Amino acid sequence: GQNIDQPTEMTATEGAIVQINCTYQTSGFNGLFWYQQHAGEAPTFLSYNVLDGLEEKGRFSSFLSRSKGYSYLLLKELQMKDSASYLCAVRAVGGGSQGNLIFGKGTKLSVKP
Amino acid sequence: ETGVTQTPRHLVMGMTNKKSLKCEQHLGHNAMYWYKQSAKKPLELMFVYNFKEQTENNSVPSRFSPECPNSSHLFLHLHTLQPEDSALYLCASSQGSGGARDTQYFGPGTRLTVL
Repeated sequence: GQNIDQPTEMTATEGAIVQINCTYQTSGFNGLFWYQQHAGEAPTFLSYNVLDGLEEKGRFSSFLSRSKGYSYLLLKELQMKDSASYLCAVRAVGGGSQGNLIFGKGTKLSVKP
Repeated sequence: ETGVTQTPRHLVMGMTNKKSLKCEQHLGHNAMYWYKQSAKKPLELMFVYNFKEQTENNSVPSRFSPECPNSSHLFLHLHTLQPEDSALYLCASSQGSGGARDTQYFGPGTRLTVL
């Protein structure tokens, strides 16, 4: 079966660094996406990884290890506006997925002053 | 960000009503998607359209009926819904290249409540 796991909730302090982990077991792998979703709003695309390693985009970085079925999203210099849910999604291959995205339940991050 | 718009933003309907959700994308994409987002559950893919052709129906009950008249517009027709269908319905679009990097962009969603 297809499974994406990420922590349900996390809390961090303004100005700090937080790492949100995602592990996956899917039929094949063809890319991993991170989205940010503020309450009541659309998920917005943050990052994409298909090869092992770190992708950096300003305060946000995403890491992938395909052999471990593992990714993390790293948020630096946290700001209050970073309080949101972070969704991990994997593009699987085969198993009836037809290349569609499989989403985790999301991690709700609360940033405290 | 107005790349993908959805109307209405909120909808309350009775179980015997018929209503439609509308999605429009202004990104020149070829693929459009309907997702259901319920509390404490992952985003669930419902339907996929690629170049106006339905390519995925993820075992969705027939009380949900999609329509894609062109690559920019997508509808979800609702009839005789159940209270458990109450959720946030999200529309997304992507280039539809089928490649690994094909990124989906989401609309703000319609918050549906079925009484």
